Amino acid sequence: QSVLTQPPSASGTPGQRVTISCSGSSSNIGSNTVNWYQQVPGTAPKLLIYSNNQRPSGVPDRFSGSKSGTSASLAISGLQSEDEADYYCAAWDDSLNGNWVFGGGTKLTVL
Amino acid sequence: QVTLRESGPALVKPTQTLTLTCSFSGFSLSTSGMCVSWIRQPPGKALEWLAFIDWDDDKYYSTSLKTRLTISKDTSKNQVVLTMTNMDPVDTATYYCARIQRDQYYYYYMDVWGKGTTVTVSS
Repeated sequence: QSVLTQPPSASGTPGQRVTISCSGSSSNIGSNTVNWYQQVPGTAPKLLIYSNNQRPSGVPDRFSGSKSGTSASLAISGLQSEDEADYYCAAWDDSLNGNWVFGGGTKLTVL
Repeated sequence: QVTLRESGPALVKPTQTLTLTCSFSGFSLSTSGMCVSWIRQPPGKALEWLAFIDWDDDKYYSTSLKTRLTISKDTSKNQVVLTMTNMDPVDTATYYCARIQRDQYYYYYMDVWGKGTTVTVSS
């Protein structure tokens, strides 16, 4: 049972826009920033979005992040076949002396 | 270029202690704001944070695992070591280390990850 809640799956066709949600609480998303990771099966996670909406160098601007209250979202526009992967949200949680917490992951399928 | 590489045994027996080493380059763990973290991922499951150590040698542990974990650093060797005691088959996972750094508002994020090392716990 992950502390952050994500839908287990999402899908879209090439060119479409998809969003993935991440729901938390006041001790994590409500008081800290959210980061998003992309993980192609068999490889390590890759940072996509940090500090709610910042893209690291090299990440296409098709990827965007937002946060409101205790929830966050990752949006992918102009969906491409190579976007098929697992996506995880993460945040610091201030409770219990502090812990990094992750979402359960969302498997994105490009139809 | 920042890189991290995990190393350790591929197979451990139940009740044994696991020792993993993260060797990194491209940054210094003595630089203010820099940290190194360990995360694991059981087969087919989600990521789980384990521990991190910061530039000032402060250590943070997962609440659910802290009695079994010890993290340490050797700044001169650019290495971070994680030990996990009393290993159990449920600890079978890929173990990753990652750099943590902070943004201009002092919020932290894991930005560069190693490729991971797979550990199987079995007798």
